Amino acid sequence: AQSVTQLGSHVSVSEGALVLLRCNYSSSVPPYLFWYVQYPNQGLQLLLKYTSAATLVKGINGFEAEFKKSETSFHLTKPSAHMSDAAEYFCAVSFSNQGGKLIFGQGTELSVKP
Amino acid sequence: DAGVIQSPRHEVTEMGQEVTLRCKPISGHDYLFWYRQTMMRGLELLIYFNNNVPIDDSGMPEDRFSAKMPNASFSTLKIQPSEPRDSAVYFCASSRSGSTGELFFGEGSRLTVL
Repeated sequence: AQSVTQLGSHVSVSEGALVLLRCNYSSSVPPYLFWYVQYPNQGLQLLLKYTSAATLVKGINGFEAEFKKSETSFHLTKPSAHMSDAAEYFCAVSFSNQGGKLIFGQGTELSVKP
Repeated sequence: DAGVIQSPRHEVTEMGQEVTLRCKPISGHDYLFWYRQTMMRGLELLIYFNNNVPIDDSGMPEDRFSAKMPNASFSTLKIQPSEPRDSAVYFCASSRSGSTGELFFGEGSRLTVL
C-alpha cells in the first residue's frame, strides 16, 4: 500500500537553528513528492515538489528537500529558522496513474522559539 | 487570478440539520478534490472529480455525505443529517491535468455540529 509517514508530530527549534522535518514514503511505483505548509486558519500551500528531475529540490522561503530513493525519504530542511516559519508542514505523495490524487502524512507542527 | 473559493468559511449547526459546503475551483483546472481535516485523523481525501465526473469516492465516510459537480466552476459537499463527529475543517482543492499533484487549496470551511 502507498503511504507517507512523518516522524514527529511536533518539532521545536530556536530561531536561527536548523530545521529538519522528516518524511518517509512507501510506494511500489516512482512517486512524486511534495511538501505543503499550512499557516493557522489557512489552507495548504505548496512549498516544493519532486517530480523525478533533480533529487535536491529548492522551494520557497529558503526550504529545500532531498529525495533519497535508497532510504525512501524526502526530508525537509532549512538552514536557519525564522519566527515566521512556525506552521504545520505536510509531506504528500502522488502517483502518475492516479490523476493528481495526493496522499498526505499526518503533519508536523513546527514551533520556533525566540 | 482568483484562487479556490469556498463558502461558508464558518458554519455552526445543530445535529440533524443539513449542511452544504460550496467550492469554486480555479478556472481551467479539471480536477477538484474535497478533503477533511481533523486533529484525530489529519487530512483525509473524501472524493475527487475529473472533468466534473466523480473518480474516487472511497473516502466518503457514509451515505450521509454526498458531493456533486454540476459544472466546471462549482461543486458542493452535502451532509444530511449532520452529526457532532462531522465537525472538522473541509477543504476544497483543484489542479490541472499533468500537474502531477500540485494542488491549490481553498481556505477551508470550518464546520461545528452541536
